[in-house]
Amino acid sequence: NAGVMQNPRHLVRRRGQEARLRCSPMKGHSHVYWYRQLPEEGLKFMVYLQKENIIDESGMPKERFSAEFPKEGPSILRIQQVVRGDSAAYFCASSPPQLGPYEQYFGPGTRLTVT
Amino acid sequence: AQSVAQPEDQVNVAEGNPLTVKCTYSVSGNPYLFWYVQYPNRGLQFLLKYITGDNLVKGSYGFEAEFNKSQTSFHLKKPSALVSDSALYFCAVRDYGGATNKLIFGTGTLLAVQP
Repeated sequence: NAGVMQNPRHLVRRRGQEARLRCSPMKGHSHVYWYRQLPEEGLKFMVYLQKENIIDESGMPKERFSAEFPKEGPSILRIQQVVRGDSAAYFCASSPPQLGPYEQYFGPGTRLTVT
Repeated sequence: AQSVAQPEDQVNVAEGNPLTVKCTYSVSGNPYLFWYVQYPNRGLQFLLKYITGDNLVKGSYGFEAEFNKSQTSFHLKKPSALVSDSALYFCAVRDYGGATNKLIFGTGTLLAVQP
């Protein structure tokens, strides 16, 4: 059973470009979460999605950031007009399709570097 | 608001000695508590969780954690540390009564086990 998959593992973008990060959850999981880890900091929640629905986006910056989880295909975290402060590791996690005390399984992360 | 505190940025312990990584939490209701471990340039790996019941929870790789409701703590422990346990450890909480599965993470504790 493949784990959570993220690609690319490393992404370099110049300021002003767009970054697209992809996440495929574990088989049987339909809840996806995105977290950001800034250098020397812990993980900060960004957004929680189910198929075709955003459930909680309380951690998403109001501008330039968006996320989707379509009926078919991976979840996408999109950052428009990237700035140096967006440089971070972005982790995706997934869990079973219920609310409850389920641990989240994390992907290896995408390390975004903005030059 | 939910929060997690890991008061120690780093814990140093000699191989073979017992280790403790501290975590305290604050939630409005009953907590679900988790410990994760992160190795360099990797995603987070789930270690153990507390939902309800026995206050001593056993997890992967010989780790265990003790839930203490009166002290709002969930300290991670291991009777005998290994050099290979050296990594970054994160405590996380989810509010039992919440309508979202999002996890709130502490800032992490770097565990260094000396041979």
